[in-house]
Amino acid sequence: SQTIHQWPATLVQPVGSPLSLECTVEGTSNPNLYWYRQAAGRGLQLLFYSIGIDQISSEVPQNLSASRPQDRQFILSSKKLLLSDSGFYLCAWRSFRLGEAFFGQGTRLTVV
Amino acid sequence: SQQGEEDPQALSIQEGENATMNCSYKTSINNLQWYRQNSGRGLVHLILIRSNEREKHSGRLRVTLDTSKKSSSLLITASRAADTASYFCATDTLGAQKLVFGQGTRLTINP
Repeated sequence: SQTIHQWPATLVQPVGSPLSLECTVEGTSNPNLYWYRQAAGRGLQLLFYSIGIDQISSEVPQNLSASRPQDRQFILSSKKLLLSDSGFYLCAWRSFRLGEAFFGQGTRLTVV
Repeated sequence: SQQGEEDPQALSIQEGENATMNCSYKTSINNLQWYRQNSGRGLVHLILIRSNEREKHSGRLRVTLDTSKKSSSLLITASRAADTASYFCATDTLGAQKLVFGQGTRLTINP
């Protein structure tokens, strides 16, 4: 069966520090991968999505970047965090055939 | 970018009543999906309706899709306290690989 792992669950980082959030998927090949951010009480904002290794599409120009060094690994990064980067970050995957998405448990990032 | 817009933003009803949430979108789609999120958790997929379908049922869930109006509705019948959560629609954009979510409806079921 397929599983998705996202870590860490919570993170408190100072302004100006770097960020690296990792997401890995098991039990499937060539998944489409997604990073979303959710502000408190709000909807999900699509940040990046990837249809293959080193194929990244950015939806919102901002202080973040994404990479996919391996088929089932998706990394969200920042060189210098801003206060506005605080939020709940969710990773998701779905089959290349498209259909339902499966979400990780999320990372709550607080930039102080 | 946000495509789906849910209505209402918040809904509070008594246990046993039916809950209806609506979603509007802007572009052509492959399918539309509904998800549920318990507070502080990841999203869980509920139901998918394809662009050539008009209605779909799954247990106590009923989804309709009107592509001419670019709208969908989710009906939860005989609501239970455990249905308390946020509900989101998501559109699978035609010609793209992305899944775009709306702002969600926060549903509260009062016992």
